[in-house]
Amino acid sequence: DTEVTQTPKHLVMGMTNKKSLKCEQHMGHRAMYWYKQKAKKPPELMFVYSYEKLSINESVPSRFSPECPNSSLLNLHLHALQPEDSALYLCASSPRTSGYNEQFFGPGTRLTVL
Amino acid sequence: AQTVTQSQPEMSVQEAETVTLSCTYDTSESNYYLFWYKQPPSRQMILVIRQEAYKQQNATENRFSVNFQKAAKSFSLKISDSQLGDTAMYFCAFMKLLSNSNSGYALNFGKGTSLLVTP
Repeated sequence: DTEVTQTPKHLVMGMTNKKSLKCEQHMGHRAMYWYKQKAKKPPELMFVYSYEKLSINESVPSRFSPECPNSSLLNLHLHALQPEDSALYLCASSPRTSGYNEQFFGPGTRLTVL
Repeated sequence: AQTVTQSQPEMSVQEAETVTLSCTYDTSESNYYLFWYKQPPSRQMILVIRQEAYKQQNATENRFSVNFQKAAKSFSLKISDSQLGDTAMYFCAFMKLLSNSNSGYALNFGKGTSLLVTP
């Protein structure tokens, strides 16, 4: 299994809602990433998990809360989002965070905040 | 800080022709990795090709090859025999050491080049 899966594919939520994005990989990778991608822009790094521990938070607002319950699963909990948070949220994984690492991306979750 | 510049926002090529996408970067590191990623309209980001800076030989993957000029900090992608399925956004990316992590690396992307392959 060489893929990263993400659910849901699309999500529409109001500003008062709480929702979660899910990412899963079964490649034995020990590093997982969340990226945010606005339309016609490159992905921007949000969080990095290394060996199930949060190793980097790129100054992301607290309304985004990541969680790594185990080495295969990565969640992104959303609460009180703003319309400008509407974007494609990409999950990626790599064997580790140090040294050369190819990152494998999931298909993304298209989030719309009303 | 490492920056990645893709100067061609959009490009078009006819099927079966060859096209070259440009990328320049800025870094003070001596060893690093460079990547080209492809993101078709279906949005799945796929690795096209990678280059390790300490290797002088240019990487090649089937119809895709790079022209890596380390001194000039240039990393262009050549697509030969273009196919309709090559239509996508192409991102050049530099693997960077995260500023506040002892061992963390992540991808720093250029702004992308939108490539359209026409019949």
